Amino acid sequence: DIQMTQSPSSLSASVGDRVTITCQASQDIGNYLNWYQQKPGKAPKLLIYRASNLETGVPPRFSGSESETDFTLTISSLQPEDIATYYCQQFNNLPPITFGQGTRLEIK
Amino acid sequence: QVQLVESGGGVVQPGRSLRLSCAASGFTFSSYGMHWVRQTPGKGLEWVAVIWYDGTDKYYADSVKGRCTISRDNSKNTLYLQMNTLRVEDTAVYFCARDRYSPTISYELDVWGQGTTVTVSS
Repeated sequence: DIQMTQSPSSLSASVGDRVTITCQASQDIGNYLNWYQQKPGKAPKLLIYRASNLETGVPPRFSGSESETDFTLTISSLQPEDIATYYCQQFNNLPPITFGQGTRLEIK
Repeated sequence: QVQLVESGGGVVQPGRSLRLSCAASGFTFSSYGMHWVRQTPGKGLEWVAVIWYDGTDKYYADSVKGRCTISRDNSKNTLYLQMNTLRVEDTAVYFCARDRYSPTISYELDVWGQGTTVTVSS
């Protein structure tokens, strides 16, 4: 199975900061990577699909990029409502699809 | 509005069975592939199974293959997960989720239910 290594596992930042979360695939997965946001007690929410496409309704401060097997989720200006855990998910070489371990984002 | 509501979770002894349900509303259920995903504090999110819009194809994670069966009743707008020979490690919150495209499977999960908790314990 393809392994996804997500970093950091936790992150503390201030409102207005630029935040970056990365996911590294154990092998080439093309752009078959999604990002999800999960707030406490809630279900995950799709933010970014196919590495860099913003899901409808998601604020434009969120963006995704890729470089070979490295994928990045960026929040350009952190807002209080962005406090959540973020997961990457690969969907190449199916099944199974696999998720990263998650990044817990907190306000400093 | 588009909604998924899971039910059927509970506390069950190891070796027993449980059937989870996911009731869909607000969209044409019969046109979309559907997934089950589970979440544990220790292992995070784990994809469990997928079923095509018409039920013709199904795939499972190795961890549940042979013990779980995903199915759907499009006349009732309902997705199911039959779980047999349950193990302690099956303890998790189980989410159903919609695949974003119709009728193909994209593995992009755009609508999720709120989850139902399964606890396997003696």
